[in-house]
Amino acid sequence: KNEVEQSPQNLTAQEGEFITINCSYSVGISALHWLQQHPGGGIVSLFMLSSGKKKHGRLIATINIQEKHSSLHITASHPRDSAVYICAVRPQGGSEKLVFGKGTKLTVNP
Amino acid sequence: GAVVSQHPSWVICKSGTSVKIECRSLDFQATTMFWYRQFPKQSLMLMATSNEGSKATYEQGVEKDKFLINHASLTLSTLTVTSAHPEDSSFYICSANRPLTGERSYEQYFGPGTRLTVT
Repeated sequence: KNEVEQSPQNLTAQEGEFITINCSYSVGISALHWLQQHPGGGIVSLFMLSSGKKKHGRLIATINIQEKHSSLHITASHPRDSAVYICAVRPQGGSEKLVFGKGTKLTVNP
Repeated sequence: GAVVSQHPSWVICKSGTSVKIECRSLDFQATTMFWYRQFPKQSLMLMATSNEGSKATYEQGVEKDKFLINHASLTLSTLTVTSAHPEDSSFYICSANRPLTGERSYEQYFGPGTRLTVT
């Protein structure tokens, strides 16, 4: 079982819809990252969280440390949001390595 | 925001040749950089952790003599794929840790990736 599980694996939405992508992990962590990878391959760091909630534009990321769960929300989705969204955690213990989820492929149709 | 660049963004080389990929942190000093490999439709696989001024730490199963990593300065790490073969064709991504001011923590920034095709 992967230490980081994302759901759903694939998500198709209509433009304007509110989108939620979930990430659950099984280890204690010092930080959780949400990353975006477009079809061209480049990766963009969206958020780094260790507690609470962060917001950037139409993107909101939340984390519940006790429940070992994080969500990424996209409000008023747009076709340009189509990408693979990856959750990655940095386990506790001082290691700088990230453990990655398998990603959620989001397609937003116009 | 912090930027990490990679060069080249794509490269095609012949089997048996060596290819060097550069990873630069453009506006911060990165004591630690990471090299990942990504196969189609799969997640990132960590190859090695590169620390400035010391030898890289390779993950299990990654051949250190084939994937040479040099972290010569706080803003540059290089990955050289030696004697490349078609099975080395992949998407290679680097990332760099930027220390956060006032915190004993850092944020990790990713480069745009380099697509290597070995013919």
